Amino acid sequence: SQQGEEDPQALSIQEGENATMNCSYKTSINNLQWYRQNSGRGLVHLILIRSNEREKHSGRLRVTLDTSKKSSSLLITASRAADTASYFCATDDDSGYALNFGKGTSLLVTP
Amino acid sequence: KAGVTQTPRYLIKTRGQQVTLSCSPISGHRSVSWYQQTPGQGLQFLFEYFSETQRNKGNFPGRFSGRQFSNSRSEMNVSTLELGDSALYLCASSRGQGSYEQYFGPGTRLTVT
Repeated sequence: SQQGEEDPQALSIQEGENATMNCSYKTSINNLQWYRQNSGRGLVHLILIRSNEREKHSGRLRVTLDTSKKSSSLLITASRAADTASYFCATDDDSGYALNFGKGTSLLVTP
Repeated sequence: KAGVTQTPRYLIKTRGQQVTLSCSPISGHRSVSWYQQTPGQGLQFLFEYFSETQRNKGNFPGRFSGRQFSNSRSEMNVSTLELGDSALYLCASSRGQGSYEQYFGPGTRLTVT
């Protein structure tokens, strides 16, 4: 079942600009993850943030988590054309053995 | 280390047929999960296996089944195919619990005609 919902559904920016996408979820979580998918291919894990963390960085990526608002954001700084992809947030389900994915944000970075 | 591999990459089947998809996890990973991705429903969890035991199953009909072998390789089977089963089927492996960082394979694109 879908737990997370990303916003916006689609985002178009130019190279060098920052891209921000948001994720909202419904129930309490242990951790939240962000994945990237290039057109019709497998997903690539970007970052995992635990429920007791508020912010995490990885290279040009910055993720925040607000458990009181049940929301997370992914910021990609200085975007490149190669960042063009769909980005999904995923939360663990009750069992801890499955991920619930949102429908994703489609990011287009133009040169 | 080799990544997750899935075979076949593309498959075309007819309604009513059955299909078996295969997944080889990253060496040392004991958890294998399967997901179905469609434009309408997005990514949906099918099942997760750890050491040959199914620990969780998603909300899919009994036509969808799977198994895991002692070498952690996994197969999923869909019987009596329906048009709505057309999707990208993704396999993912991880070291432990199914919800930790997942390493995904490239997927099997199944088209049912």
